[in-house]
Amino acid sequence: GAVVSQHPSRVICKSGTSVKIECRSLDFQATTMFWYRQFPKQSLMLMATSNEGSKATYEQGVEKDKFLINHASLTLSTLTVTSAHPEDSSFYICSAVVPGQGIGGYTFGSGTRLTVV
Amino acid sequence: AQSVAQPEDQVNVAEGNPLTVKCTYSVSGNPYLFWYVQYPNRGLQFLLKYITGDNLVKGSYGFEAEFNKSQTSFHLKKPSALVSDSALYFCAVRDDTGGFKTIFGAGTRLFVKA
Repeated sequence: GAVVSQHPSRVICKSGTSVKIECRSLDFQATTMFWYRQFPKQSLMLMATSNEGSKATYEQGVEKDKFLINHASLTLSTLTVTSAHPEDSSFYICSAVVPGQGIGGYTFGSGTRLTVV
Repeated sequence: AQSVAQPEDQVNVAEGNPLTVKCTYSVSGNPYLFWYVQYPNRGLQFLLKYITGDNLVKGSYGFEAEFNKSQTSFHLKKPSALVSDSALYFCAVRDDTGGFKTIFGAGTRLFVKA
């Protein structure tokens, strides 16, 4: 089946540094990917929709200059958290639309636990 | 605007008993409804979906869900719970206007006691 690989699974970084999270579709081409943020014991908050070859569409309240999304190829989308601060610590999850699976054909990555110290 | 409500933060059930995790939704058009399960520090796994057709949808691991249009509900059910079903469950909705944006409920933690 369709697999989305997300790396790293865990990352600890110092405050003020930048962190890049990768989301790869391994056996299909993903023209559309989504980035979510999940706070402890809370639901997934959609941050942005990433479309291959074009600018990401950010949800209201999400700082696009802080959360840089690049979808330069049909198999890779990246989320870069710039100048990270402790409040950016969270669980980040990507998902991809799987072609040919009809409505609801989303596959999720395994998530990245970001801790900013 | 789309919204999803999962009224219970946690559901406790004994192993072997039936379980129900509740979900209600609101969309402008016709709903596309989904259930996902999440294990600790992992991404989401798809369980089942309702697009159209039969109101009772069967999915993975013995789970099923019933679409009720008049009550705008899509409750997740399983006839006999297993300890391994203990996890976080999310209901999600999309409308039929053609976009991909999916809204998730707050999640319900299911705890199955042996």
